[in-house]
Amino acid sequence: GENVEQHPSTLSVQEGDSAVIKCTYSDSASNYFPWYKQELGKRPQLIIDIRSNVGEKKDQRIAVTLNKTAKHFSLHITETQPEDSAVYFCAASINSGYSTLTFGKGTMLLVSP
Amino acid sequence: DAGITQSPRYKITETGRQVTLMCHQTWSHSYMFWYRQDLGHGLRLIYYSAAADITDKGEVPDGYVVSRSKTENFPLTLESATRSQTSVYFCASSDSAASTDTQYFGPGTRLTVL
Repeated sequence: GENVEQHPSTLSVQEGDSAVIKCTYSDSASNYFPWYKQELGKRPQLIIDIRSNVGEKKDQRIAVTLNKTAKHFSLHITETQPEDSAVYFCAASINSGYSTLTFGKGTMLLVSP
Repeated sequence: DAGITQSPRYKITETGRQVTLMCHQTWSHSYMFWYRQDLGHGLRLIYYSAAADITDKGEVPDGYVVSRSKTENFPLTLESATRSQTSVYFCASSDSAASTDTQYFGPGTRLTVL
């Protein structure tokens, strides 16, 4: 089955800096890569996703890049703010039938003012 | 987000007892999922369901039972709880022909097994 590795496990940045979280996946058939944000004590929520037919997707201060050849994808957050502090999870899946998401172990991002 | 709820939100039980965690969604989503979240392990899939009366195992199904007699409900039962099942449990749902569309998570149930 799919295996998703996520790095780093913790990331501390100063407000205004950029943050990058990286994930690798094992199954070359995977073609859907969402990112979820989970604030302390809250539920995970989708913040951005990318499908394999594109290499990059942006939404305001967040962007995701995908390298299918190397089987890795990354989340980029620019101009970080304290409210970006949370745990971020990447996931991967084959977008067909009854396939399911496989999540990485998560990255705790701490943005200091 | 209010469309998917879980109950109870907190539960303390003892080893060997049966526990049922409830999940209810009001969107008529086809897919529903149960995950457990543990430090160092992220979110791991326990069971999922593609529709009423269709369920399948995920990554960590041992010790758990699910059913889905109605589209809106997806209860998770721990038949004989063990300490290793102490965790935060999240239910999720997705409205898509493919199971990998956006998943909407419930608020979670924190279960402690003593």
